[in-house]
Amino acid sequence: AQTVTQSQPEMSVQEAETVTLSCTYDTSESDYYLFWYKQPPSRQMILVIRQEAYKQQNATENRFSVNFQKAAKSFSLKISDSQLGDAAMYFCAYRIRPNYGGSQGNLIFGKGTKLSVKP
Amino acid sequence: NAGVTQTPKFRILKIGQSMTLQCAQDMNHNYMYWYRQDPGMGLKLIYYSVGAGITDKGEVPNGYNVSRSTTEDFPLRLELAAPSQTSVYFCASRPQSLDYGYTFGSGTRLTVV
Repeated sequence: AQTVTQSQPEMSVQEAETVTLSCTYDTSESDYYLFWYKQPPSRQMILVIRQEAYKQQNATENRFSVNFQKAAKSFSLKISDSQLGDAAMYFCAYRIRPNYGGSQGNLIFGKGTKLSVKP
Repeated sequence: NAGVTQTPKFRILKIGQSMTLQCAQDMNHNYMYWYRQDPGMGLKLIYYSVGAGITDKGEVPNGYNVSRSTTEDFPLRLELAAPSQTSVYFCASRPQSLDYGYTFGSGTRLTVV
């Protein structure tokens, strides 16, 4: 069974500095997607960044970037120039590519990391 | 464009009561999902649907039922509510193409007392 592990229940960063959130996953599949979602106090789940496993290049979205290590099954999120608005729960998620065998590639989530940003 | 709309946002139920959580999307997405989020945990899949008339169980389906009579709506039914069903419930949808991610609703916080 696929699992996603976030080993840091809480993290803290100073405003304008950089923080890295860790995520590891376990799968025997070779074709899949990885995601980072942000959940602010409003509860809304917001997609931050996604990575396709067949792409070796790390995904980047403005101040957010990932370090994808496929062999190590590691998918960390780096937030640069942290802002107060970055404070939230961050969830790492995994999804296999749906196949003809019936799997629909549903999202599997880690337990989350609560990020605090200090002014 | 409203996206995914969930109602109600908050609800308190007594043990043994029943209720339906509503979810509607206006993006013509084929796939719809129900997740629950317990404190300190990630989201766990309850049920999902790949299109009108087709539903299937996720990881934690016990105590819930769903139906999908239209593309737009995917209600989640709780029969005989139990304290273990106290949670935040999220509905999500996505289109057929894998190039797009999920769109989530804003959640329903349910307390069973």
